Amino acid sequence: ETGVTQTPRHLVMGMTNKKSLKCEQHLGHNAMYWYKQSAKKPLELMFVYNFKEQTENNSVPSRFSPECPNSSHLFLHLHTLQPEDSALYLCASSREGVSSYNEQFFGPGTRLTVL
Amino acid sequence: KNQVEQSPQSLIILEGKNCTLQCNYTVSPFSNLRWYKQDTGRGPVSLTIMTFSENTKSNGRYTATLDADTKQSSLHITASQLSDSASYICVVSSYSGNTPLVFGKGTRLSVIA
Repeated sequence: ETGVTQTPRHLVMGMTNKKSLKCEQHLGHNAMYWYKQSAKKPLELMFVYNFKEQTENNSVPSRFSPECPNSSHLFLHLHTLQPEDSALYLCASSREGVSSYNEQFFGPGTRLTVL
Repeated sequence: KNQVEQSPQSLIILEGKNCTLQCNYTVSPFSNLRWYKQDTGRGPVSLTIMTFSENTKSNGRYTATLDADTKQSSLHITASQLSDSASYICVVSSYSGNTPLVFGKGTRLSVIA
């Protein structure tokens, strides 16, 4: 499989549930990202990992917990979410770091609905 | 404050017609500008990237322009096809800061037969 894959593609969860989103990249990249995309709003960068080290956390609530076990895999652990957290969660990867020149390649996203 | 504004918010055109999408930015210092296409249910895919010295760049029926003086960019789509229906996102990169990418909200284009 090539590119960036995300599972599940759709997720419905209650506010008391715990779930995890998974992202895998097959591009040999060293940087991975989580974005939140809400309707009529720009993409919001949540977390950045460069060479498995977290380099960015844009004031994301602690109910979102990222994990990057290696350069190819990225997880987003979810617990006690709120309805306003419903959105499309996109994973992306790039060659390295958050460089202005490196193109980011996006996965198809996980459509999350919190009831 | 670094911002990217896109217009129109949405657009409906007939198949075969041309259209132009606009992007205005206040990002500084400027590094480059990308246009992404995002199909429904998919992640964004890069169409073009333009640096400070480039005025025009084409990718098939897509032509992007950049005026770094006025901080404006446009994406022109020629002879539109139904498959062009998507959101088009303008992303401007800066040299400074830990998060150099600034995203626009996108323009939702619908091409109808």
